[in-house]
Amino acid sequence: DADVTQTPRNRITKTGKRIMLECSQTKGHDRMYWYRQDPGLGLRLIYYSFDVKDINKGEISDGYSVSRQAQAKFSLSLESAIPNQTALYFCATSDLHAGGEQFFGPGTRLTVL
Amino acid sequence: AQKITQTQPGMFVQEKEAVTLDCTYDTSDPSYGLFWYKQPSSGEMIFLIYQGSYDQQNATEGRYSLNFQKARKSANLVISASQLGDSAMYFCAMKGNAGNMLTFGGGTRLMVKP
Repeated sequence: DADVTQTPRNRITKTGKRIMLECSQTKGHDRMYWYRQDPGLGLRLIYYSFDVKDINKGEISDGYSVSRQAQAKFSLSLESAIPNQTALYFCATSDLHAGGEQFFGPGTRLTVL
Repeated sequence: AQKITQTQPGMFVQEKEAVTLDCTYDTSDPSYGLFWYKQPSSGEMIFLIYQGSYDQQNATEGRYSLNFQKARKSANLVISASQLGDSAMYFCAMKGNAGNMLTFGGGTRLMVKP
């Protein structure tokens, strides 16, 4: 079984709809992250969380919100989706005490029409 | 602020030859880590190799090695004996002192020719 899972894997939605992307991990890591990747580009950090009570904005947080429901679960919400939020979204986790390697989920491909 | 630059948008390499993918970085943190990830066409991000800023030796992992030149702020990935399955996007990334967040470069698309 995958250590970091994301649901859904693919989603097509319309402008103005609320969307939630979910991430779960079985690695026991405290730290979780949401990234976005646009075609042909690297990943950019949206939000990150160091533990259940700690949520921080990343480079491109506008238009997004997150919820850390438990150590193993970190959800990303688009309150009112717009077409330029069409992208590949990755969840990642890392261990506080390790070298900093992040373990990525398989990604969610979101299309906003 | 941290910055990662990958100046090669795309590269070709002949199967079984070695290839170097360039990465330069900029940071004011005294301690940092450098990573390389592979992203095949299926989209997942696969960790390849890690180099700590205080590591005395260049990191190696199988056919992957990292040519770390601290004074030049470069962390190039060397893939030896390229295989067709190495065709993918490759991303260089860096973490600084503040909590393991990664800053990514724009990536290099490697295409291995048979």
